[in-house]
Amino acid sequence: QVQLVQSGAEVKKPGASVKVSCKASGYTFTSYSMHWVRQAPGHRLEWMGWINAGNGNTKYSQRFQGRVTITRDTSASTAYMELSSLRSEDTAIYYCARVGIVNWNDGWFDPWGQGTLVTVSS
Amino acid sequence: DIVMTQSPDALAVSLGERATINCKSSQSVLYSSNNKNHLAWYQQKPRQPPKLLIYWASTRESGVPDRFSGSGSGTDFTLTISSLQAEDVAVYYCQQYYSTPQTFGQGTKVEIK
Repeated sequence: QVQLVQSGAEVKKPGASVKVSCKASGYTFTSYSMHWVRQAPGHRLEWMGWINAGNGNTKYSQRFQGRVTITRDTSASTAYMELSSLRSEDTAIYYCARVGIVNWNDGWFDPWGQGTLVTVSS
Repeated sequence: DIVMTQSPDALAVSLGERATINCKSSQSVLYSSNNKNHLAWYQQKPRQPPKLLIYWASTRESGVPDRFSGSGSGTDFTLTISSLQAEDVAVYYCQQYYSTPQTFGQGTKVEIK
């Protein structure tokens, strides 16, 4: 079955960077775009960006422009999200989510990874 | 950015009764080229990621019980649970994928009365 498995929880200091991985299985990795969404305590789900796993093209939310980088390793069927210059407000659960339509960059998300808690604290 | 506003923020419904959640977008999410509403609904239970229920505003995802249905067009949408079951206790979110950035509603918490 289609599955996304993310890396484990991270604790970072303000100003540091974090890199979260998302390993895909059960489908052709390069046929679907992968998105990243975060969920901070008390806030709604927030879209961060996507990567076209086939050609490597990316698109980011303006809110994170310059701080977020999404990459992929096709040989490992794994996508990565790196967020830099961390601040306390970046404390959140970070999810990867596959787009629901083959060869589309946008769409609904299905499935989602299990989530990775990133805590930013001095 | 398209702002998604859900109502109510929370509701309590008796087992077997109907639950109705509304979602309003700040601009139309009906895409003229495919005549489809670019709107999805998700269910999120505690300590779990969101789970897709509905896409294209009214198409039920495979495996989702038929007590869940989606309706609406343009800017106003509804998720209906026709007969609430105990396992439906969760937070429900709408999402528009009409334009970037994709945006979500604030969530509606459904509980048992």
